[in-house]
Amino acid sequence: EPEVTQTPSHQVTQMGQEVILRCVPISNHLYFYWYRQILGQKVEFLVSFYNNEISEKSEIFDDQFSVERPDGSNFTLKIRSTKLEDSAMYFCASSEAALNTEAFFGQGTRLTVV
Amino acid sequence: AQTVTQSQPEMSVQEAETVTLSCTYDTSENNYYLFWYKQPPSRQMILVIRQEAYKQQNATENRFSVNFQKAAKSFSLKISDSQLGDTAMYFCALRGNFGNEKLTFGTGTRLTIIP
Repeated sequence: EPEVTQTPSHQVTQMGQEVILRCVPISNHLYFYWYRQILGQKVEFLVSFYNNEISEKSEIFDDQFSVERPDGSNFTLKIRSTKLEDSAMYFCASSEAALNTEAFFGQGTRLTVV
Repeated sequence: AQTVTQSQPEMSVQEAETVTLSCTYDTSENNYYLFWYKQPPSRQMILVIRQEAYKQQNATENRFSVNFQKAAKSFSLKISDSQLGDTAMYFCALRGNFGNEKLTFGTGTRLTIIP
């Protein structure tokens, strides 16, 4: 069964460093998302991406964040200068269409900023 | 703005019993989609069941069913014959229409199945 894969599963980084979280969406999917879940809290939307551009982003997704689909298969989330409060589980998701289809989630990347 | 509210932070039930998790939501859209996701200790998000708002019939998936009350903006999940593997966090989520395709999640209900 096709699945969304994320790497790495866990990343520890020092405050102020740049991190790139990687995702390989399901191959025939066209819509891509990043969500964040701070430990013990609910899952929050960060950004959606379609046709090589951001279609929607939340207030959390400020200038420190960027997304890219560099090679037609990977979908990356970059945090330029990490802060302690960026520590969270980051989920990538993809869907075949915008509506009437479910979003499939990856297993998540646990980011710890120290 | 869309909101999703889950008023039960924790629930527990004996194995083989039936349990119902509550969810209410608010949206200004007429057409939208509702989901229940399960998050086991591994923290992966797994889709349990989905409901299209324009469908009056309640969705069912094996032991999982929903009670969708559109006028009341209520979307509860019923788990029948609960199993130990059902122990997880359960999140209710709402997805809007075109231009608003993101998922808005509730705060979750931690469900424990007791052997």
